[in-house]
Amino acid sequence: TQLLEQSPQFLSIQEGENLTVYCNSSSVFSSLQWYRQEPGEGPVLLVTVVTGGEVKKLKRLTFQFGDARKDSSLHITAAQPGDTGLYLCAGENYGGSQGNLIFGKGTKLSVKP
Amino acid sequence: NAGVTQTPKFRILKIGQSMTLQCAQDMNHNYMYWYRQDPGMGLKLIYYSVGAGITDKGEVPNGYNVSRSTTEDFPLRLELAAPSQTSVYFCASSYSTGWAGSYNEQFFGPGTRLTVL
Repeated sequence: TQLLEQSPQFLSIQEGENLTVYCNSSSVFSSLQWYRQEPGEGPVLLVTVVTGGEVKKLKRLTFQFGDARKDSSLHITAAQPGDTGLYLCAGENYGGSQGNLIFGKGTKLSVKP
Repeated sequence: NAGVTQTPKFRILKIGQSMTLQCAQDMNHNYMYWYRQDPGMGLKLIYYSVGAGITDKGEVPNGYNVSRSTTEDFPLRLELAAPSQTSVYFCASSYSTGWAGSYNEQFFGPGTRLTVL
């Protein structure tokens, strides 16, 4: 069974601080996605990384896919209250069922003004 | 485009009752999914469909049924509601060829919060 472990589970920081969220597995994924979910809403895709070692930037968010395609990280610079939400990583493996996603349990981020 | 829509947004059921959660998408996506989300447990796949007329079980299918008669609609049926089915249910859709280079980027609906008492 493929598993994605996310850490930390909860993170509460002050506005302006930096943070990193991790997503780890013992399995290799063909691609890995990051979603953000706000309370009462569905997850929204932030980014997809597909190549080992790939780094993608989305404004203050930096996403990295591990060289072995087993892990990923999300770094937020100068966090703002608008970054508050649940961050989910999801891995896709073509060896699995029809390209279904395996989701981590999420990191709940709270950024205080 | 409305994207992925779900109805109802909230529902309270009594044990043993049945209901259908509706899901529709207007993006001409071939793949559709039903997930449940419990506190601290992430998203668990209930059923999925790769096209009209084709459905398959996910990780937690027991107590649920689905059908996919059109590309747009993917209803989820609960036949005999149980307290263990209290959860938030999300429908999602994506376009994927299933081949390398086609990434299963999913679009989610706003969710249905179901309570079974």
